[in-house]
Amino acid sequence: AQSVTQPDIHITVSEGASLELRCNYSYGATPYLFWYVQSPGQGLQLLLKYFSGDTLVQGIKGFEAEFKRSQSSFNLRKPSVHWSDAAEYFCAVVKAAGNKLTFGGGTRVLVKP
Amino acid sequence: GAVVSQHPSRVICKSGTSVKIECRSLDFQATTMFWYRQFPKQSLMLMATSNEGSKATYEQGVEKDKFLINHASLTLSTLTVTSAHPEDSSFYICSARGKGLLQGEQYFGPGTRLTVT
Repeated sequence: AQSVTQPDIHITVSEGASLELRCNYSYGATPYLFWYVQSPGQGLQLLLKYFSGDTLVQGIKGFEAEFKRSQSSFNLRKPSVHWSDAAEYFCAVVKAAGNKLTFGGGTRVLVKP
Repeated sequence: GAVVSQHPSRVICKSGTSVKIECRSLDFQATTMFWYRQFPKQSLMLMATSNEGSKATYEQGVEKDKFLINHASLTLSTLTVTSAHPEDSSFYICSARGKGLLQGEQYFGPGTRLTVT
């Protein structure tokens, strides 16, 4: 069965500093990969996705993610964090033959002023 | 972008009563809708997948008689929590996908917080 691991439950970062959120997946083939953000009490907003092609993916709000097949990873990055980036971030995968998303446990990002 | 709404956003009900949550795709036809459950500070767990006009497919461990899902039209799916108990208190999120989307792509609703007293 496929699984998604986000090793960091919480990350605290200073405003203006860079941010990297880790995501590892366990699946035999290359799945489709997603990063979502969830503000408190809200639904999920898609930040970016990877299906194929260029392994560095640009998303909204200044986020990018890099797919590394050798490491089974899809880490999310932002060069300079804003206070509004404080939220919960979820990595998700879907098998190539299906549509069901499997979510990682999430990483809560706190932004210090 | 595509918009998915949920109603109500919050609901409080007494133990033993039933609660219906609506999920609507506002500007596209949703051929498939998904229902998720999220406990505090936890991830989303898929409860069921519903295709318009057919019975929902429930994930393992989800009681289909307790969580009734109806997807009667291409823009509306409902989740009814029957005989709700305090342990059913949770954040319920729906998502929807329509034609033309790549695999896995879904648009999420804002969620419904259910509190059972």
